[in-house]
Amino acid sequence: AQSVTQLDSQVPVFEEAPVELRCNYSSSVSVYLFWYVQYPNQGLQLLLKYLSGSTLVKGINGFEAEFNKSQTSFHLRKPSVHISDTAEYFCAVSDVDSNYQLIWGAGTKLIIKP
Amino acid sequence: NAGVTQTPKFQVLKTGQSMTLQCAQDMNHNSMYWYRQDPGMGLRLIYYSASEGTTDKGEVPNGYNVSRLNKREFSLRLESAAPSQTSVYFCASSPQVPGDGYTFGSGTRLTVV
Repeated sequence: AQSVTQLDSQVPVFEEAPVELRCNYSSSVSVYLFWYVQYPNQGLQLLLKYLSGSTLVKGINGFEAEFNKSQTSFHLRKPSVHISDTAEYFCAVSDVDSNYQLIWGAGTKLIIKP
Repeated sequence: NAGVTQTPKFQVLKTGQSMTLQCAQDMNHNSMYWYRQDPGMGLRLIYYSASEGTTDKGEVPNGYNVSRLNKREFSLRLESAAPSQTSVYFCASSPQVPGDGYTFGSGTRLTVV
């Protein structure tokens, strides 16, 4: 069965520093991978997704993620964070075995320190 | 703007009361979902509807019922609310096409006292 592991429940980082949020998944077939962001007291919105092709995917607000098939990872990165990036970030995977429903990680709270 | 609309945004219920959370989407999506979000628990799927006329249980269906009224609308009913159902509820929809993600509503914050 598929699963998604977000290794850190919280990541504190200073403003203007780089950040990496980690995501690993388990699946034996071709996957589609997603990162969603949830700002305080809001719903989730799509940040970026990997479908095929280039393993480096660029999203909104300066975020990018790299698909690594051998390590079954899809880590999210940003070279310089801002206070407005304070949010919870969710990684998700879908494949034919899930009937293309999204399987969710538990989320990582990004805490920006001034 | 196109999207997923949830009503109400906030609700306080007494234990034992019933209520229905409404969700409507105007993107002609086939699939719709109800999730609950609790601190430290991530998103947990309550029920989903893969297409109009079908509904299926998710991970945490106990205490809830759903109705897929038509392609646009998917409602969640709490027949007898319990304090354990205090949560934030999200509705989402998807075209259910490989590679497409979900569009979420803004949520309903429910407190059961």
